[in-house]
Parts: sequence; C-alpha cells; structure tokens
Amino acid sequence: AQSVTQLDSQVPVFEEAPVELRCNYSSSVSVYLFWYVQYPNQGLQLLLKYLSGSTLVKGINGFEAEFNKSQTSFHLRKPSVHISDTAEYFCAVTRDDYKLSFGAGTTVTVRA
Amino acid sequence: KAGVTQTPRYLIKTRGQQVTLSCSPISGHRSVSWYQQTPGQGLQFLFEYFSETQRNKGNFPGRFSGRQFSNSRSEMNVSTLELGDSALYLCASRPAGLSEETQYFGPGTRLLVL
Repeated sequence: AQSVTQLDSQVPVFEEAPVELRCNYSSSVSVYLFWYVQYPNQGLQLLLKYLSGSTLVKGINGFEAEFNKSQTSFHLRKPSVHISDTAEYFCAVTRDDYKLSFGAGTTVTVRA
Repeated sequence: KAGVTQTPRYLIKTRGQQVTLSCSPISGHRSVSWYQQTPGQGLQFLFEYFSETQRNKGNFPGRFSGRQFSNSRSEMNVSTLELGDSALYLCASRPAGLSEETQYFGPGTRLLVL
C-alpha cells in the first residue's frame, strides 16, 4: 500500500512571494502522482499530474512540481502567488488500482 | 464538456436514517469513485464502480454501499446514519481507458447528521 505525507499543514505566504508545498510518498512500486486544490466549499480541482516521462511537470495557474524518485518526493512550487491561491492543497498517489491515497492537506494563506 | 455533477449539494439527516447521494460523471467517463472527506480522517476512498460493477472498495463498514447504472451515473447509499458520517462526500470520474489515471472531482455533497 502507498501513503502520502504532506510535511506542512499550514503555509502562510505574502502575495507575489514564492511558495513550495512538500509531499513525500512511500511505495515499493511505481506510482502516479497528483496535486489537487480545494477552494472553500468546493470539490477538488486537478492542478497537475505525473504519470511518466519528464520529472518536471507544469500545471494550471502557474504551478509546477518535480518528481524525485530517489527521494520519493513530489513537491509543488509557484514562483509568485496571488491572493486567489489561498486554498487547501492535496498531494495524492495512485497505482493501477485507481484508488487515490491523499495526504492530509496543506492550507495556503496568501496575505497582501 | 460539463463537469462531474453531484446532487444534492447539502443534506441534513438524523441518526438512524438512511441517505442516497447521486453522481453524474463527465460524458464518456465510465469509472466513478466515491471519497469521504472529514476534518479528522481527511480524504478516504470509499469505492469505485466501472461498467456497473464495483471494482475496488475502501475500508468502510457495510452500511456504505453504492451502485452504477448503465449510463455510468452512480449512487451512494448510507444506511443507519451515525453522527460520524457527517462529511463531504466527493464523487470522481475517470475515462477508464489505457493510461487514463486522472480522476476529475465533483463539487461534493455535504451531509450533516444530527
């Protein structure tokens, strides 16, 4: 079974500053990795995904993530955040069983 | 294309009652999964349906059940509701073709059990 650890539960950041959200996973086999964002009172929206190929993946809204197999990490980054990026972010992993395992989430609060 | 839709969006029930939630996947998507989100346990997988068959199941009691219809729409049922069943229930659909691992989520149904 795979598990996901999001190392920061809360990340406060000033507008236009960079942000990094850390995600580590544990699995003995190859996995597929995802980042989702959840705005208040909404469902989950896919930000980006890693299935195979290039380890640097770009997503929507200026986000990108880097898959590091040796460190079993999939950290999410954005070089300059906006107020509208205030949300909860979830890292998730799945294998061929199509069952997503989620991290506990990281709440990002962007301040002016 | 319309996204995943879930009805109702909000629901209030009392302990002991049963509830049915509905999910319509993105057109052409054949796989539907259900997840429960609570502050204490986070996001947890309930089950997945594909071609009207339950293909995978999470670690939930038998009070939680589901089904899928021939048009891929899915329903989830919870019987004998408990206070701890209060949660946001999310439905996700997936094309279910080769290399189609991405799940697309609906807005969720927020269930409050009193």
